[in-house]
Amino acid sequence: DTEVTQTPKHLVMGMTNKKSLKCEQHMGHRAMYWYKQKAKKPPELMFVYSYEKLSINESVPSRFSPECPNSSLLNLHLHALQPEDSALYLCASSLEGGLAGTGELFFGEGSRLTVL
Amino acid sequence: GESVGLHLPTLSVQEGDNSIINCAYSNSASDYFIWYKQESGKGPQFIIDIRSNMDKRQGQRVTVLLNKTVKHLSLQIAATQPGDSAVYFCAENHGANNLFFGTGTRLTVIP
Repeated sequence: DTEVTQTPKHLVMGMTNKKSLKCEQHMGHRAMYWYKQKAKKPPELMFVYSYEKLSINESVPSRFSPECPNSSLLNLHLHALQPEDSALYLCASSLEGGLAGTGELFFGEGSRLTVL
Repeated sequence: GESVGLHLPTLSVQEGDNSIINCAYSNSASDYFIWYKQESGKGPQFIIDIRSNMDKRQGQRVTVLLNKTVKHLSLQIAATQPGDSAVYFCAENHGANNLFFGTGTRLTVIP
């Protein structure tokens, strides 16, 4: 299994809703990532979990809350989002994290979020 | 500002020709670069990487060249095929797998 699976593929939510994005990998990878990608822009790093611990938070607003229940799962909890948060949210994993990591990340197909 | 960027936002090539996608970076201390391909509706896919102790690295139909003197790297795709049509990103590893992606080049292969 060499896939990173993200659900849902599409999500529409209002500014007062609470929703979650989910990501799963069964490759035994020890690092997992959330990226945000706006249309026609490159992915931007949001969070990195290494060995189930949050290792990087790129100054992301608190309305985005990551969670890593175990080494195979990564969630992104969404609350009180703004329309400008509409984007493709990409999950990725890599074999190792931290300084032992290489640049080879395995990305899911993303969850396309629309905030009304 | 961005430390990794691309010279051209779009590139069109005839099927069967070679493609060259360029990328510039500004941090002379950068020591690890990666190329990703993103097809429409999909997440980025790792293509090839190169560390600063190398000038060239080859993969299957792809070659990455690194010129540290002018802080430039390029991705060469041999015998470009329609399936190569995608957006290509160069990325710089800022350490601990903190990847900083460049702006991307959209490659269109003309049959």
